[in-house]
Amino acid sequence: AQSVTQPDIHITVSEGASLELRCNYSYGATPYLFWYVQSPGQGLQLLLKYFSGDTLVQGIKGFEAEFKRSQSSFNLRKPSVHWSDAAEYFCAVGSMEYGNKLVFGAGTILRVKS
Amino acid sequence: EAGVAQSPRYKIIEKRQSVAFWCNPISGHATLYWYQQILGQGPKLLIQFQNNGVVDDSQLPKDRFSAERLKGVDSTLKIQPAKLEDSAVYLCASQGVRGGGEQYFGPGTRLTVT
Repeated sequence: AQSVTQPDIHITVSEGASLELRCNYSYGATPYLFWYVQSPGQGLQLLLKYFSGDTLVQGIKGFEAEFKRSQSSFNLRKPSVHWSDAAEYFCAVGSMEYGNKLVFGAGTILRVKS
Repeated sequence: EAGVAQSPRYKIIEKRQSVAFWCNPISGHATLYWYQQILGQGPKLLIQFQNNGVVDDSQLPKDRFSAERLKGVDSTLKIQPAKLEDSAVYLCASQGVRGGGEQYFGPGTRLTVT
């Protein structure tokens, strides 16, 4: 069965500090991997995606993620967090073999302290 | 281009009542998804349409939920009768042929069943 695990429910970081959000997946096909961000009362906005090729992908708002097949991980990073980054972050996995439907993790709530 | 539109944004109903949600995808997007996001969880796929045909409705509670996509454009999701556990945000997403599996999400409809 396909599943996505985000081990951290909440993370608090100081403004200007670096950030890493963890994501592990279990998937029976070649995965596409995504990170979405959701602000309160808003829909999901795509931060970045990995389909193939370079395992380090760059996204919007200064985020990047690295795909590590051996560890079944796709961790999200940002070198310097801004207060506006406070939101909930979701990792998701999909594939053409499964009709491109996405399986989401439970999310990580990021709090930024000044 | 215009994004995915959903209405209403908020709905409060009593249990055993019925409710309907509407989604207008991005123009030209053939694939449409409905997700249910319960508080504290990631979105879970309810149903996937390709044009006006159902691709996957394996997780749709068909005794009370129904969905249609007439003419392969707009879609409606209905719940009849609603239960307390249906309280959630209902997200609609669409996906084009190009873009490699990326789904674009609407703002969602927050349903509260009392």
